[in-house]
Amino acid sequence: AQSVTQPDIHITVSEGASLELRCNYSYGATPYLFWYVQSPGQGLQLLLKYFSGDTLVQGIKGFEAEFKRSQSSFNLRKPSVHWSDAAEYFCAVSVAYGNNNDMRFGAGTRLTVKP
Amino acid sequence: KAGVTQTPRYLIKTRGQQVTLSCSPISGHRSVSWYQQTPGQGLQFLFEYFSETQRNKGNFPGRFSGRQFSNSRSEMNVSTLELGDSALYLCASQGQGYEQYFGPGTRLTVT
Repeated sequence: AQSVTQPDIHITVSEGASLELRCNYSYGATPYLFWYVQSPGQGLQLLLKYFSGDTLVQGIKGFEAEFKRSQSSFNLRKPSVHWSDAAEYFCAVSVAYGNNNDMRFGAGTRLTVKP
Repeated sequence: KAGVTQTPRYLIKTRGQQVTLSCSPISGHRSVSWYQQTPGQGLQFLFEYFSETQRNKGNFPGRFSGRQFSNSRSEMNVSTLELGDSALYLCASQGQGYEQYFGPGTRLTVT
């Protein structure tokens, strides 16, 4: 079955430390891949996306993600975390068929940033 | 371009009532999707509308329905509200690409 897994429910990092949030997917074909961020009580904001080409993609707010086909992973990284990065992060995958696309979201990883 | 807007932002209803939520997509976007977000179930897909037609549907009871107008604005309706319908309802619009852009959500509380 098609699925998106974010193994870490909650991660705590110190401000200034590096960050990596994991995402694995299970799809028959290579899907389109996304990372979204959600602040409390708000909607989701698109951080970055991968469709094809260079497997290392840059996003907003200093985030990047790397697509690894062999591992079916699309991990999100940031070299130095800021206190304002505290939020919930969602990995999403989409498989297009015809004019439709089937978008699935992971369960989310909540990021806490220690001063 | 203006982003996705949702109204109202907050809503309190009692069990058995019905509710209608509204979503205005980004100008030029023809696809609108609705999601329910709860702490226990996470983000769950409700349905998607494209050019006034329901294109995809999630696994929700018939009490949840929607529609889309010719200007791409969409509404979702929940009838006979239950306590478990309390959630953040998110709307997302999609243009030519495959990414979705989300509105701020409507927080529905059922008492």
